Amino acid sequence: QVQLVQSGAEVKKPGASVKVSCKAVGYTFTSYGISWVRQAPGQGLEWVGWISPSNGNTEYAQKLNDRVTMTTDTSTSTAYMELRSLIYDDTAVYYCARRGAAAGTYRFDPWGQGTLVIVSS
Amino acid sequence: DIQMTQSPSSLSASVGDRVTITCRASQSVINFLNWYQQKPGKAPNLLIYAASSLQSGVPSRFSGSGSETDFTLTISSLQPEDSATYFCQQTYGRPRTFGQGTKLEIK
Repeated sequence: QVQLVQSGAEVKKPGASVKVSCKAVGYTFTSYGISWVRQAPGQGLEWVGWISPSNGNTEYAQKLNDRVTMTTDTSTSTAYMELRSLIYDDTAVYYCARRGAAAGTYRFDPWGQGTLVIVSS
Repeated sequence: DIQMTQSPSSLSASVGDRVTITCRASQSVINFLNWYQQKPGKAPNLLIYAASSLQSGVPSRFSGSGSETDFTLTISSLQPEDSATYFCQQTYGRPRTFGQGTKLEIK
């Protein structure tokens, strides 16, 4: 069964860094991209960025570009998202999702279960 | 950035009703339009991709239509388990933006 399994919740102080993991199970990791999306409490979905496990290419949301880094470990089929210099507005559930091509477009499926990151002093 | 605007923001309907949610893009996204369903405390779940293609395993009462800037998600006969928030997403432009969501409640 294809699934993405994420790491557990984190509580961080402002200015700290957090690294969230996303382990791919049930498919060839390098055949699909991994996208990251976040959702602040009670809010909508915000695209954070994307990484290609096959070649390491990345693309980040402009507002986070200087604070976020996405990497992969193909030996363990795991993707990582690191966010630095955390601010209160970074409090959110962070999701990873498999990005695949379909019918000439892209779709995000499946999604990980989400990782809650709380920024609190 | 391409702005995605959904309407309505919320609605209430009865079991068996036909429900329509619309999504408008600020510029053409061709057919690079997905629909997701999200239930409280859960990750989004893909319903429709490429504007009108039904994702495997999704009930056939869900359908999508539209192109360019105007898109529609239709539930032909509402079921109790359809109570959720629905999001559209464009994957044509960068960044990949989402609509603000439509919260659907069952009367």
